[in-house]
Amino acid sequence: EVQLVESGGGLVKPGGSLRLSCAASGFTFSSYSINWVRQAPGKGLEWVSSISSGSSYIYYADSVKGRFTISRDNAKNSLYLQMNSLRAEDTAVYYCARKDSRSGELDYWGQGTLVTVSS
Amino acid sequence: QLVLTQSPSASASLGASVKLTCTLSSGHSSYAIAWHQQQPEKGPRYLMKLNSDGSHNKGDGIPDRFSGSSSGAERYLTISSLQSEDEADYYCQTWGTGIQVFGGGTKLTVL
Repeated sequence: EVQLVESGGGLVKPGGSLRLSCAASGFTFSSYSINWVRQAPGKGLEWVSSISSGSSYIYYADSVKGRFTISRDNAKNSLYLQMNSLRAEDTAVYYCARKDSRSGELDYWGQGTLVTVSS
Repeated sequence: QLVLTQSPSASASLGASVKLTCTLSSGHSSYAIAWHQQQPEKGPRYLMKLNSDGSHNKGDGIPDRFSGSSSGAERYLTISSLQSEDEADYYCQTWGTGIQVFGGGTKLTVL
């Protein structure tokens, strides 16, 4: 069974940093691109970042470029999101999601971890 | 610019059918999309990939009540024999090189 489990969320002050993790199981993690997607309270889904299977290709949404860094450790079946210079508007539930190996759809999602940026 | 447009809300009666629409922006009518369901207080769940020709591949365990179709730049999700657990937000998603794009979501109310 494919599973993605996020962790690392919490309350952080504006300007602070946080590192999210996503633990994967039930599939060959090293063969898939993985994405971070977030959802602000009461809002829709917003794509944040993606990383290819071997970390060669990394992309960011303009809203987080220069502040967030995505990375992965295929030996540990884990994905990470280092978030720096956090702002109130970064408050959201953060989901990791697997991208289908042959196409672009996100075919499995985690349950999410809540990040709250507030003084 | 690649944009997906969805109506904010829809409603239908228990046991009836409903058709949700996702519209691709101009110049992108050949793009495939995916539909996702998000029940209250839960993470999204992948429903299906829907191609421009209307063919679709559903995710694991998705009931036959969920189907997809296409016409031009419109992509549809039809849910038949509506059940109470179908009350949820439905998002369409498409993709470009390295990026993902989401529609604003449709909140479905089952009456």
